[in-house]
Amino acid sequence: TQLLEQSPQFLSIQEGENLTVYCNSSSVFSSLQWYRQEPGEGPVLLVTVVTGGEVKKLKRLTFQFGDARKDSSLHITAAQPGDTGLYLCAASYSSASKIIFGSGTRLSIRP
Amino acid sequence: DTAVSQTPKYLVTQMGNDKSIKCEQNLGHDTMYWYKQDSKKFLKIMFSYNNKELIINETVPNRFSPKSPDKAHLNLHINSLELGDSAVYFCASTPTGFGANVLTFGAGSRLTVL
Repeated sequence: TQLLEQSPQFLSIQEGENLTVYCNSSSVFSSLQWYRQEPGEGPVLLVTVVTGGEVKKLKRLTFQFGDARKDSSLHITAAQPGDTGLYLCAASYSSASKIIFGSGTRLSIRP
Repeated sequence: DTAVSQTPKYLVTQMGNDKSIKCEQNLGHDTMYWYKQDSKKFLKIMFSYNNKELIINETVPNRFSPKSPDKAHLNLHINSLELGDSAVYFCASTPTGFGANVLTFGAGSRLTVL
């Protein structure tokens, strides 16, 4: 069974602080996505990473794909209350395989 | 225009009843999915259809029967509802080729079984 382990499960920090969320697997991904989900809505794509060692930036969010394509991290700089939400990593192990999700990180930013 | 739309958004029903959730996508995607999100927010794939053909069935009970009349629609019918079926059900779609692993989700259908 292929599993995606995501940590931490919950994170509550003060506005302005930095944070990192991790997504790990024992298997090699063909690609990995990060999604953000707000209450009452479906997950929305933030980024896709495909190449080992790849780094992508989206404003204050930095996404990194591990060299071996088995892990990824999401780093948020100077967190703001608007960053509050459920962050999900998702991956597939080949172009034809199912897309599975990590257990999610519930992020709360206190003003 | 909503890309992936599912109805109803809320369903409250008694144990033993049968209910359906409908999903439509106007993105021209070839593949559609049903995911179940439990109370701990874990998203688990249930089914996937590619151009009306079932390609993934994740050991879901037979009480769940998906139907895809065409590649833009994927419906989910649930028979003999049980308490454990309470969850949010998400429909999603992906294109073929570039972006094939990027899911576009509907807003979810929250099912509550009493």
